[in-house]
Amino acid sequence: EADIYQTPRYLVIGTGKKITLECSQTMGHDKMYWYQQDPGMELHLIHYSYGVNSTEKGDLSSESTVSRIRTEHFPLTLESARPSHTSQYLCASRGQASYEQYFGPGTRLTVT
Amino acid sequence: GNSVTQMEGPVTLSEEAFLTINCTYTATGYPSLFWYVQYPGEGLQLLLKATKADDKGSNKGFEATYRKETTSFHLEKGSVQVSDSAVYFCALSDRGGATNKLIFGTGTLLAVQP
Repeated sequence: EADIYQTPRYLVIGTGKKITLECSQTMGHDKMYWYQQDPGMELHLIHYSYGVNSTEKGDLSSESTVSRIRTEHFPLTLESARPSHTSQYLCASRGQASYEQYFGPGTRLTVT
Repeated sequence: GNSVTQMEGPVTLSEEAFLTINCTYTATGYPSLFWYVQYPGEGLQLLLKATKADDKGSNKGFEATYRKETTSFHLEKGSVQVSDSAVYFCALSDRGGATNKLIFGTGTLLAVQP
């Protein structure tokens, strides 16, 4: 069973607020990912990290930023939330030995 | 580039019916193939995987066979239950990329009625 955690699970916040979505994993995985999932279910990779101090933009442009100061922690930050940021955000990680990714439970963000 | 195409939903079945969700892929090389399941309000869970041609992945009564000749990885289950209602994603690993990222299909919603 994979151990990857996301907090908060649900967040309703007003426009212009700064928010940080937390993601932590206890498996020692080097690679971590952030996906945005739209209401049509499709997943879009927005950020990824190879390891500590490594972050890259994904396939879908996003106004969010990420950091990777510790192996187990990969937070996502929105400096000024807007209604267009309303979505489900999923964090995932994978180890060196296999290609499958393990997902957290997600954060459902609503910006009013 | 690499891509995954899966059948559009929703797929609506009665309990104990046979399930097939089609998935085909385009890839260079020899990707690994996956099926993930997402229950309402949750993240994705790995359902099964196959790493080379002719491999059969199986879990919880679900099966899928890696068919290189038809570039397919169709998901099947002989008798679905109401608890199988979820969104199913087919995915492949992009081994050629630096991130080895997963490429997902658009998801298929399965609704099983009692």
